[in-house]
Amino acid sequence: GIQVEQSPPDLILQEGANSTLRCNFSDSVNNLQWFHQNPWGQLINLFYIPSGTKQNGRLSATTVATERYSLLYISSSQTTDSGVYFCAGSPSLYYGNNRLAFGKGNQVVVIP
Amino acid sequence: ETGVTQTPRHLVMGMTNKKSLKCEQHLGHNAMYWYKQSAKKPLELMFVYNFKEQTENNSVPSRFSPECPNSSHLFLHLHTLQPEDSALYLCASSQGAGALPYEQYFGPGTRLTVT
Repeated sequence: GIQVEQSPPDLILQEGANSTLRCNFSDSVNNLQWFHQNPWGQLINLFYIPSGTKQNGRLSATTVATERYSLLYISSSQTTDSGVYFCAGSPSLYYGNNRLAFGKGNQVVVIP
Repeated sequence: ETGVTQTPRHLVMGMTNKKSLKCEQHLGHNAMYWYKQSAKKPLELMFVYNFKEQTENNSVPSRFSPECPNSSHLFLHLHTLQPEDSALYLCASSQGAGALPYEQYFGPGTRLTVT
C-alpha cells in the first residue's frame, strides 16, 4: 500500500509564528485530505486538495501531485492550532480511490 | 459537528464480552468506513461499505464484525477482544467509495478499552 511520511513529527511554536508541515507519498494519490485532530479525537477536515493551492483563513495548503507531496501552512499561529495534523491520500486506482492511507501525524504545540 | 455521530463515546469491556459500536451519518452519503487508531500508529482502514455492500476488509480479525443495514448506519460488533484491540475507533462517510474520489468526514470516535 501507499506509504505516507509526515514531517516534522513534532513542532513547538511560539504564538504568532508561521510554520510549514509536509506530507510525502510513496506513490501517486488522489483524494488527498488534511485533518486536524482535537484532544478528544475528532478529526476536523481542513482541506480536500488533490492538487493546487487552497486557503482558509490562516491556513493554506498546496499539493504538487506530480511530485507526490503536499504542504500545510499555518500563519500567525494561535494556541488553538495545537493538536495533531494528519494528511491522508488514496491510490489512483479505479477501486482504490477512497481507501485513505494516513501518515503518523505532525504533533504541533503552540505556546503563548 | 461533521454530520457523523458515534455511540458510545467511551467503552470498557472485558475480553469475554460482546458489544457493538454504532455510527450514523446525516450527510446523505452512500459510503461508510471503519478506521482504527492505536497509540503511536497511523489510522488504519478496517472496512469499507458502498451502497450497503462491503467492498473492503483490510485483513481484520473475525472478532470484529461489521454490519451496514442501510447507507446511513454502520455497526461494528465486537466479541472476544484482546487488550491490544484497545484503540480509538473512527467512523467516516463519503458520497461514494467507487471509481471517483470523494472527501471523507469523520465521527468523534469511540475510545475502546479492553480489560
